[in-house]
Amino acid sequence: DIQLTQSPSFLSASVGDRVTITCRASQGISSYLAWYQQKPGKAPKLLIYAASTLQSGVPSRFSGSGSGAEFTLTISSLQPEDFATYYCQQLKSYPLTFGGGTKVEIK
Amino acid sequence: EVQLVDSGGGLVQPGGSLRLSCAASGFTFSDHYMDWVRQAPGKGLEWVGRTRNKANSYTTEYAASVKGRFTISRDDSKNSLYLQMNSLKTEDTAVYYCARASGSYRILDYWGQGTLVTVSS
Repeated sequence: DIQLTQSPSFLSASVGDRVTITCRASQGISSYLAWYQQKPGKAPKLLIYAASTLQSGVPSRFSGSGSGAEFTLTISSLQPEDFATYYCQQLKSYPLTFGGGTKVEIK
Repeated sequence: EVQLVDSGGGLVQPGGSLRLSCAASGFTFSDHYMDWVRQAPGKGLEWVGRTRNKANSYTTEYAASVKGRFTISRDDSKNSLYLQMNSLKTEDTAVYYCARASGSYRILDYWGQGTLVTVSS
């Protein structure tokens, strides 16, 4: 199985900060990676797929990069509505797997 | 508007069974692969399994933790997805989400609201 390791697992930041979350895969997955945002009590929401393609309707302050085994999600200027937990998911092979999550909280 | 509505959760004893449903609307259900994802209380997301579409013979994939106990099925005539859960364990306690898989990457672009399954004596 492909393991995904997210770092950090917890992040404290202020509105307006630039935030970067890393997702490392245990083996190469090309660009078969997606990022999701989840707020408490809600279903996850797709942000980015194919490592760097922004899902329709997602603000342009979100961006993704990487390929192979290392990926990043960047929020260029953190907004109040961005405080949430973020997950990466690999779509390369079964079983599909998620990273452990990164919780972004208000400093 | 795409909508997925999860239902069927509840309290069940260890060793028991439960069937979850996901009612889909607003898109051509039969065209899509469909997934189940779960989330234990206070924990991260765990992929449960997938059913492919008719063009791919409705074949299925499962996580090792549920293989042999859970079965994913669908009824395209009713735009519905199902998760039959047997031999339930306390560690199966979670919110279960159905999700639509789309595009060549089969990304999970729409999700249900989730239904809570509690396995406890």
